[in-house]
Amino acid sequence: QQQVKQSPQSLIVQKGGISIINCAYENTAFDYFPWYQQFPGKGPALLIAIRPDVSEKKEGRFTISFNKSAKQFSLHIMDSQPGDSATYFCAAETFYNQGGKLIFGQGTELSVKP
Amino acid sequence: NAGVTQTPKFQVLKTGQSMTLQCAQDMNHNSMYWYRQDPGMGLRLIYYSASEGTTDKGEVPNGYNVSRLNKREFSLRLESAAPSQTSVYFCATRQVWNTEAFFGQGTRLTVV
Repeated sequence: QQQVKQSPQSLIVQKGGISIINCAYENTAFDYFPWYQQFPGKGPALLIAIRPDVSEKKEGRFTISFNKSAKQFSLHIMDSQPGDSATYFCAAETFYNQGGKLIFGQGTELSVKP
Repeated sequence: NAGVTQTPKFQVLKTGQSMTLQCAQDMNHNSMYWYRQDPGMGLRLIYYSASEGTTDKGEVPNGYNVSRLNKREFSLRLESAAPSQTSVYFCATRQVWNTEAFFGQGTRLTVV
C-alpha cells in the first residue's frame, strides 16, 4: 500500500518550460512534505519542503503548492533547464505514531530538452 | 567531513548468501534510515532508528535485520539473500523528524 502516490512517472519538458509533478496522500496526520532531487549515481538531496499551515512555498524557480483539503501537493519548476534533469521524489511524514518515518513517492524522472 | 558513508558501493551475492551493509555518519545525527530504491517503486523504507538504542520497521522489513551499533553506525543485514533483494540501498541520517535527511551514495546489490 503506497501511502504517497506520485505522478507522472516520467516527464519531458522543453528548456524554458514549466515542469509539474504531483503527489497525493491519504494519511491526514502527515505534517511535513519535502521534495528530494536525485542525480544519476547519487543519493537524493533535499530540494524544498512545506508544512500544511501554508498553501505555497517558493525557492527560486521551485515552488511547492499544497492543497490540504484535496490531500495533494505539487512541485512546479519554472523556466526548466537541462541541469534540472533528474529524478524527483515527494515525501511525507508525521511525528505522531510514526516517530519520524519519512515515506517517499514512486519518483518522477524529468528530462529537460535543450 | 565525509557526511554519510556506505560500504560497500557494489556487491554481487549468490542466492542464500548473507551480508551486512554498513553505514556511518559523522554529522552527529540522532536518526538513521535504510531505504531501497527500485525502478517505478521509489524509495521504500526498510528500517529506521529514531535514536541510538531504538529501531523500528519500515514499509518493507521482511528479509532484513538492522543494528544501531552506536550513534554513528547503522548496519543492514541480509541473512539469506534472494533475487528479489536486488536493489540499490541507501542509508540516510537526520537530526530529528521534520528536518533535512542526508543520504549516502548508495550500495548497488545484485543477487544471482
